[in-house]
Amino acid sequence: TQLLEQSPQFLSIQEGENLTVYCNSSSVFSSLQWYRQEPGEGPVLLVTVVTGGEVKKLKRLTFQFGDARKDSSLHITAAQPGDTGLYLCAGASGSARQLTFGSGTQLTVLP
Amino acid sequence: GAGVSQSPSNKVTEKGKDVELRCDPISGHTALYWYRQRLGQGLEFLIYFQGNSAPDKSGLPSDRFSAERTGESVSTLTIQRTQQEDSAVYLCASRRIRDSPLHFGNGTRLTVT
Repeated sequence: TQLLEQSPQFLSIQEGENLTVYCNSSSVFSSLQWYRQEPGEGPVLLVTVVTGGEVKKLKRLTFQFGDARKDSSLHITAAQPGDTGLYLCAGASGSARQLTFGSGTQLTVLP
Repeated sequence: GAGVSQSPSNKVTEKGKDVELRCDPISGHTALYWYRQRLGQGLEFLIYFQGNSAPDKSGLPSDRFSAERTGESVSTLTIQRTQQEDSAVYLCASRRIRDSPLHFGNGTRLTVT
């Protein structure tokens, strides 16, 4: 069974601060996705990373895929209240057709 | 429609009753997934449909859970003899082809009293 561990589970910060969320596994993934979910809605895809060591930027969000494709991080610069939500990582392996989701990081950015 | 549609959005049922949840995927999306999400947690895979292939039922937690899909259209998830531990949000997602992004519905919040 492939497992994805996310840390921290909860994070509450002030507007303007920086933060990093981690997603770790002992398994290798062919690709990894990050989603954000707001209350009452389904998760929405933010980014997909495919290559080991890959870094992608989406405005103030920076995503990195580990060299061994077992881990990933999401860094947010100058967080804003609109960044509040549940951040989920999800890994895909070559043979499995379903994504394995992490346990999520609940981020709250206080104004 | 423009997105994945799920109904009902909320369902309260008594322990022991059967419930049926519906998912309308995005038109043209061949793959359809059901996930379960307990409060504040990640997503637990339940079942996957791909075209006319046999569904991957490996995530269904018990034989009280079943799902059907007709071709590449609507899917229904049925939970028989509901238990309190079945209380969760049930999310449906679809995607056009493998490795394309998953598009999620807003889920059905199931509460078993």
